[in-house]
Amino acid sequence: AQSVSQHNHHVILSEAASLELGCNYSYGGTVNLFWYVQYPGQHLQLLLKYFSGDPLVKGIKGFEAEFIKSKFSFNLRKPSVQWSDTAEYFCAVRRDTGRRALTFGSGTRLQVQP
Amino acid sequence: EAQVTQNPRYLITVTGKKLTVTCSQNMNHEYMSWYRQDPGLGLRQIYYSMNVEVTDKGDVPEGYKVSRKEKRNFPLILESPSPNQTSLYFCASSLSGGYETQYFGPGTRLLVL
Repeated sequence: AQSVSQHNHHVILSEAASLELGCNYSYGGTVNLFWYVQYPGQHLQLLLKYFSGDPLVKGIKGFEAEFIKSKFSFNLRKPSVQWSDTAEYFCAVRRDTGRRALTFGSGTRLQVQP
Repeated sequence: EAQVTQNPRYLITVTGKKLTVTCSQNMNHEYMSWYRQDPGLGLRQIYYSMNVEVTDKGDVPEGYKVSRKEKRNFPLILESPSPNQTSLYFCASSLSGGYETQYFGPGTRLLVL
């Protein structure tokens, strides 16, 4: 079965620090990849997505992610975090064929200290 | 305003008492989906629907039912709720379930006693 792993469950950073959140998936075929963010008390919002083409994807609010097919990874990065980035971040994967189910990772809670 | 709405937002019920959580979208999306979110497990897909009268199981369908009689509505039905269905539920929709973004509703927090 397809699975998505986010190894960092809770990350604490100071403002201006750089961020990298890991995401690995297990499915070997063609996939669509997503990062969603959930701010406290709010619903999920899409940060960025990858379907094909340039493996370095830029999203909203200065976030970017790099798809490395050989490593089955789609890590999220931001050069300098802000207090307002405090949220929970979810990686999600969907197979490009067959069932359109979206499989989420367990999430990474990011806490940015001012 | 384009949105996905869910009702109720909060619900406390008892074991075995049937309940329905409604989901509606105003974007003419074909694809709709239900997820549950639990601490440490992230979001898991319960059911999804590719179009009217077309539904399929997600990763955790046991104990849930859905129906899609109209394009805009995708209710989630718990025929006999149990405490292990206490969770935060999200409805989502997208244009066709393909490459486009999924839009999420605000969530329904359910407590089953």
